[in-house]
Amino acid sequence: DGGITQSPKYLFRKEGQNVTLSCEQNLNHDAMYWYRQDPGQGLRLIYYSQIVNDFQKGDIAEGYSVSREKKESFPLTVTSAQKNPTAFYLCASTPKKHPPNEQFFGPGTRLTVL
Amino acid sequence: AQSVAQPEDQVNVAEGNPLTVKCTYSVSGNPYLFWYVQYPNRGLQFLLKYITGDNLVKGSYGFEAEFNKSQTSFHLKKPSALVSDSALYFCAVRDIKLEGTYKYIFGTGTRLKVLA
Repeated sequence: DGGITQSPKYLFRKEGQNVTLSCEQNLNHDAMYWYRQDPGQGLRLIYYSQIVNDFQKGDIAEGYSVSREKKESFPLTVTSAQKNPTAFYLCASTPKKHPPNEQFFGPGTRLTVL
Repeated sequence: AQSVAQPEDQVNVAEGNPLTVKCTYSVSGNPYLFWYVQYPNRGLQFLLKYITGDNLVKGSYGFEAEFNKSQTSFHLKKPSALVSDSALYFCAVRDIKLEGTYKYIFGTGTRLKVLA
């Protein structure tokens, strides 16, 4: 059963702690993305990767870091430098094709900073 | 730069009535447009896309969208709304600013509320 998974579903963090959100896909997609969703602001791109061992900053990369060591995995670390990390985080993937495909989204991780 | 706009934060419609959720876009070159739906605390689900061809695109759950090049719009429609259609809807465009860049730009979302 192909898909994209995120874990955990809910995550609580104390201020000053780093935390890593998991994103795994078994769709054999080349491109993977991390978005942050806040109420009334839609989806904002944090980082994206189009190939293993390469990734690019999105619009709001400050305070976040990623790695892409394997095609199927794209973990996101929320560092203590992120000033307001409480949000809903969505991971997505898509094959690199032309014409372009839609993105496939994971179920999301809700991060709350206590 | 590519962009999409969803001018309505919320749309209310009575069950059984037709619904329209609006989206306008600004792109250089051919537009690649998408609609997604999001239920509470869930990821986005793909509804339909316009790549090329017929201006009326049919998608999942009875939804369709009309691509209008002259008005740069891609409105989402459904002939008869269901209460279960109540959700958050996003329009998106594939950014083709850079060769080989696979970025997508999302609108701010429109909350659809279908009233029984």
